[in-house]
Amino acid sequence: GEQVEQLPSILRVQERSSASINCTYENSASNYFPWYKQEPGENPKLIIDIRSNMERKQIQGLIVLLDKKAKRFSLHITDTQPADSAMYFCAASNTGANTGKLTFGHGTILRVHP
Amino acid sequence: AQTIHQWPVAEIKAVGSPLSLGCTIKGKSSPNLYWYWQATGGTLQQLFYSITVGQVESVVQLNLSASRPKDDQFILSTEKLLLSHSGFYLCAWSLRGGGQDTQYFGPGTRLLVL
Repeated sequence: GEQVEQLPSILRVQERSSASINCTYENSASNYFPWYKQEPGENPKLIIDIRSNMERKQIQGLIVLLDKKAKRFSLHITDTQPADSAMYFCAASNTGANTGKLTFGHGTILRVHP
Repeated sequence: AQTIHQWPVAEIKAVGSPLSLGCTIKGKSSPNLYWYWQATGGTLQQLFYSITVGQVESVVQLNLSASRPKDDQFILSTEKLLLSHSGFYLCAWSLRGGGQDTQYFGPGTRLLVL
């Protein structure tokens, strides 16, 4: 099966600085990598994803990078705001297996301080 | 637009008692459906997935079972709750076939077993 490692577990940054979260995976067949944001008491919400045919994707202040050779992908939040404070999860999936199996990292608590 | 409902919103149950949690999705025909479990502050663990009525695959055994009695309904249950069943139960859906990789979560059910 797939294993996803996510670091750091806790990240504290100052407002308007950038924040980076890194994930690694083991299964070279994984080809889909979503990122979810979960606020306290809420369900996880998809914020950005990347597929293996891309190396970089940006949606406004969110940037995802994928290095297939190193089996590593990362989320970069530019110009952070206190509203970005939440738990963030990376995940990996092999869509070719047609199982919908999504393996999550253990999460990163992001705290953005004013 | 599709909507996903989970019931109940929260439950407090006794060890050894039965449990039934429900999930319905409206606005999407024949979705793939998933059950996840999340311990407080923990990661998301996929429990079951279903691609069609009457067909459920188990991902992790936690003394729980799942059923899909209707195209838009997914049920999670057990006859005997354990303390370790406490947590946040999330239903998720994705499209059938192409694009099935992106999963969207329902609002979740909080379960406390005493």
